[in-house]
Amino acid sequence: KQEVTQIPAALSVPEGENLVLNCSFTDSAIYNLQWFRQDPGKGLTSLLLIQSSQREQTSGRLNASLDKSSGRSTLYIAASQPGDSATYLCAVRWGKLQFGAGTQVVVTP
Amino acid sequence: GAVVSQHPSRVICKSGTSVKIECRSLDFQATTMFWYRQFPKQSLMLMATSNEGSKATYEQGVEKDKFLINHASLTLSTLTVTSAHPEDSSFYICSASGSPGTNTEAFFGQGTRLTVV
Repeated sequence: KQEVTQIPAALSVPEGENLVLNCSFTDSAIYNLQWFRQDPGKGLTSLLLIQSSQREQTSGRLNASLDKSSGRSTLYIAASQPGDSATYLCAVRWGKLQFGAGTQVVVTP
Repeated sequence: GAVVSQHPSRVICKSGTSVKIECRSLDFQATTMFWYRQFPKQSLMLMATSNEGSKATYEQGVEKDKFLINHASLTLSTLTVTSAHPEDSSFYICSASGSPGTNTEAFFGQGTRLTVV
């Protein structure tokens, strides 16, 4: 069964610390993996897309890695800010897009 | 990135009535759009795949007669919740990709909070 897991479900860090968010998936035969941000009551904002052939993607303070053999992706957010507080969702495409339950992040001033 | 617009963002309706939610791709053509449902503190669950000019494909357990999907053009898909009941209250989100294929980036609308009273 193809599943996506995100641990921890919630995370709180002081401002300035680096954030490390984990995503694991059960089947390595993926097309791509995408990280999203969701603010309360809002839709999803795409952060990074990593194709199956890629090992990482970077955008500003964000860096996402992909290790298909171990079924893992990690999203790094450098020098966190209170504005980074949100829920971060990992989604894996095996044909259809399948989502993890998300990690709720709170960055305290 | 591409822009997907969803309307309305919030709707309250009486039990037994129908509600229509629109999903538009503003700056690209989407032959395929997707409708998801999200319960509090839970992940997104795919409800159906909307194909322009043809019938939608529903996921197992989703009632196609309750959740009517119409993809009338390359930029518009609608989800109609018919004879809504309180258990249909949820957050509904649509998604679209700018090009066909399985390696494309997915873009999402702002979501619609439906409350059935």
